Amino acid sequence: DAKTTQPPSMDCAEGRAANLPCNHSTISGNEYVYWYRQIHSQGPQYIIHGLKNNETNEMASLIITEDRKSSTLILPHATLRDTAVYYCIVRARTNAGKSTFGDGTTLTVKP
Amino acid sequence: DTGVSQDPRHKITKRGQNVTFRCDPISEHNRLYWYRQTLGQGPEFLTYFQNEAQLEKSRLLSDRFSAERPKGSFSTLEIQRTEQGDSAMYLCASSLLHVAGDPDTQYFGPGTRLTVL
Repeated sequence: DAKTTQPPSMDCAEGRAANLPCNHSTISGNEYVYWYRQIHSQGPQYIIHGLKNNETNEMASLIITEDRKSSTLILPHATLRDTAVYYCIVRARTNAGKSTFGDGTTLTVKP
Repeated sequence: DTGVSQDPRHKITKRGQNVTFRCDPISEHNRLYWYRQTLGQGPEFLTYFQNEAQLEKSRLLSDRFSAERPKGSFSTLEIQRTEQGDSAMYLCASSLLHVAGDPDTQYFGPGTRLTVL
């Protein structure tokens, strides 16, 4: 699986959009980009995933660059409850098996 | 959909004791994964099952660790002769592998926090 690079920490004002970047420059054509988040002392929570098109669900939007070497997770109106560690990972399209997590980005939403 | 459940949520044990954790996956999910997470780090893969078959084991899974999924439903992770270095959060995840299409999305349980004294 390709390796991902994320900034260790970010701050965001409550009510504003949080934009979390992820670099995955060695991603291959059959690998999806996945985002999870982990609130303190809980298990990781699935947020969204995508292959090459932008995706949106009730939690967030995922923007993947045309060359697929980077992506951005957007939380449109961050709340204090969005404070968490956000993980970007890549997984093969078929028979992916395990996920390889990095250290993620700690997002702190401030009032 | 009741989600992935894990039991116990917390376990404190003395060094040298054996411990066993249980994971109940989302109903009808055919894949089940175990991860370990230490403070400040992302989850690290330990092993996974497809139905009852154990398909991959990490080098982190020493001979003191054993995992089973006897009937392709719940799974147990046992640690024998625990060491202080085994203190961590043990996470279980499950997924439904489709014949074709999207990769199987993993859904995680709340974890079991192990403290070895």
